[in-house]
Amino acid sequence: QSVLTQPPSVSGAPGQRVTISCTGSSSNIGARYDVHWYQQLPGTAPKLLIYDNFNRPSGVPDRFSGSKSGTSASLAITGLQAEDEADYYCQSYDSSLNDYVFGTGTKVTVL
Amino acid sequence: QITLKESGPTLVKPTQTLTLTCTFSGFSLSTSGVGVGWIRQPPGKALEWLALIYWDDDKRYRPSLKSRLTITKDTSKNQVVLTMTNMGPVDTATYFCAHIISYGNWFDPWGQGTQVTVSS
Repeated sequence: QSVLTQPPSVSGAPGQRVTISCTGSSSNIGARYDVHWYQQLPGTAPKLLIYDNFNRPSGVPDRFSGSKSGTSASLAITGLQAEDEADYYCQSYDSSLNDYVFGTGTKVTVL
Repeated sequence: QITLKESGPTLVKPTQTLTLTCTFSGFSLSTSGVGVGWIRQPPGKALEWLALIYWDDDKRYRPSLKSRLTITKDTSKNQVVLTMTNMGPVDTATYFCAHIISYGNWFDPWGQGTQVTVSS
C-alpha cells in the first residue's frame, strides 16, 4: 500500500482546469524530498511530466504545472484536452522506508 | 536519445525464479551519476519500485522484497539484470526498467515494459 495518497479519479470538461493532490508525510514529502509526476496513457509506460516539484522536461506542455507545500504536492492541468485522459502518479522518496514511493494514482477523465 | 527495453519470460510458475534483462542505449552505466531502476505494476494497480543500481555498483532494494531481489549490471553489454526468487501469483505484473540520475530521484525515460504472469 502506497504512502502517497491521491484521489482515485478527477474529471473535467475540455478547456477546464483540474488538480490532482498527492498527500504524504513527514518522512517523504514533508522531509523536503522532491516530488515528481508521471503520465501513463492507456497501455503505455509512464512518462515523466514534472520533476523536482515544478520543473517540466523538454516537450511537456506548459498546461501542466506542479507545486509542493508541507506534506503535500499538486499537479494542475489547465486547458484540459482529450489527449490528457490518462493515469497520473506522483513519486518521491521516503527516508523511513528507504523506498522510492509512488502515489496511488489518479485517473483523469475528459468529459 | 536514451532508450530502454525489457526482456524475459512472460510466464513463470510459482516458486520459480524470474530473470529480467534491461537493455539500454544512449547512456553508459560507467558514467558517474547514472543508474537504472526497476518498477512493476500489477494489473489495474499502482506503480511499485523494486530496485536500482548506480554506475558505482551502489544497489538499492525495496525493503519488503530485499531478500528476493538481486540487481546486477553488465556495463560492456549495456544491460541490467533483475532476478526475483520464489515467484508467486501476487508478483504478476508489468515490469519496467527506467533511467535515473543520482542527483535526482526521478525515473526518465522508461522502457515499454514486459508483462509477467505467475501461474502453474
